[in-house]
Amino acid sequence: AQSVTQLGSHVSVSEGALVLLRCNYSSSVPPYLFWYVQYPNQGLQLLLKYTSAATLVKGINGFEAEFKKSETSFHLTKPSAHMSDAAEYFCAVIPSGGGADGLTFGKGTHLIIQP
Amino acid sequence: GAGVSQSPRYKVAKRGQDVALRCDPISGHVSLFWYQQALGQGPEFLTYFQNEAQLDKSGLPSDRFFAERPEGSVSTLKIQRTQQEDSAVYLCASSPTSRKETQYFGPGTRLLVL
Repeated sequence: AQSVTQLGSHVSVSEGALVLLRCNYSSSVPPYLFWYVQYPNQGLQLLLKYTSAATLVKGINGFEAEFKKSETSFHLTKPSAHMSDAAEYFCAVIPSGGGADGLTFGKGTHLIIQP
Repeated sequence: GAGVSQSPRYKVAKRGQDVALRCDPISGHVSLFWYQQALGQGPEFLTYFQNEAQLDKSGLPSDRFFAERPEGSVSTLKIQRTQQEDSAVYLCASSPTSRKETQYFGPGTRLLVL
């Protein structure tokens, strides 16, 4: 069974500082990987996804993530945090070869931006 | 264009009541998914439809949960005899094809069972 671990339920950074949100997966075969953002009382918005093309994936709002097979990681970064980035972020996986019909999500990381 | 919509956005039910939650996927989308998100947790997969066929219901937590998509568009998630542990946000997502890696999520229905 696949699983996703997000290190840190809360991450606080200063406005303008680097954002780093960690995600590690457990899967026998590299899965497809996703980062979603959720603002209060809203649904999930896809930030970016890895589907076995380039290992460095660029997404919306200046976010990017790098797939590292050797580390089974897919950490999310943004060079300079903005107040509007404050939200809940979820890492998710789905097997690349089928075998599951739904995404498996991590527990989420709440990103706090300090002025 | 219109995204995935869900109604009602908020629902308060007394324990033991039946509830019905509606999802309107993006027009023409083949695949539809339901997820349950408990407070402070990530969403958990409940069930999957391809057109009108329910191909996977492995995530439904009990036989009190029932989902349907009779005409391959709108879907309804029904919970019978609600319990307090059913309190959660129920998210619906749709995908344009049978491929599952591109899912567009609705805003969710927040269910509170008292």
